[in-house]
Amino acid sequence: QSALTQPPSASGSPGQSVTISCTGTSSDVGGYNYVSWYQQHPDKAPKLMIYEVSKRPSGVPDRFSGSKFGNTASLTVSGLQAEDEADYYCSSYAGSNTVVFGGGTQLTVL
Amino acid sequence: EVQLVESGGGLVQPGGSLRLSCAASGFSFSNYWMHWVRQAPGKGLVWVSRIKTDGSSTGYADSVKGRFTISRDNAKNTLYLQMNSLRAEDTAVYYCARMVPTSIGLDYWGQGTLVTVSS
Repeated sequence: QSALTQPPSASGSPGQSVTISCTGTSSDVGGYNYVSWYQQHPDKAPKLMIYEVSKRPSGVPDRFSGSKFGNTASLTVSGLQAEDEADYYCSSYAGSNTVVFGGGTQLTVL
Repeated sequence: EVQLVESGGGLVQPGGSLRLSCAASGFSFSNYWMHWVRQAPGKGLVWVSRIKTDGSSTGYADSVKGRFTISRDNAKNTLYLQMNSLRAEDTAVYYCARMVPTSIGLDYWGQGTLVTVSS
């Protein structure tokens, strides 16, 4: 159960696009289409942004999109807005009734 | 409105025990898998445990296996986490969360309860 690997930080200017990667193994990210992404603002509970690699829950703007290739999943935020500045975490099913999270990426809107 | 309210956190000495509760409302609790996720101060999210709708299947992170037990009472719409043999590294905010059916995504989260393990 090793944590998924995310870059510690990412940034972009308003209106730009930014992509955050999440790298695992064939035992988690690569083995299942059960990757989720969460947004967390300071002192708030996480919010589900993407599940099952690319599905958006109701209410999540379509500026947020997810994808996966091999053992790496990605979250793309298009048309960056100030309120997108937050920490983002990926997670994946890891088999044997377990789940693993990534270390998190701090997104800064310049 | 879906609500998840955790309680039971507090200060406990190393080696001690604590039981967390998560009261659910606004949805059919018995139809959803539930999870516990924790976050140490200033650190990232770490998955802890999950339990099937009827309690018949559970899963644990290696770091808590054998020390923590997840359970649920569907009649009381309540999720529990029994934590034994607590260590300093268990210090964290503990969140309960509801799982999207047939998925892994956690679509509703509580506000969290802080557990501090210290002498």
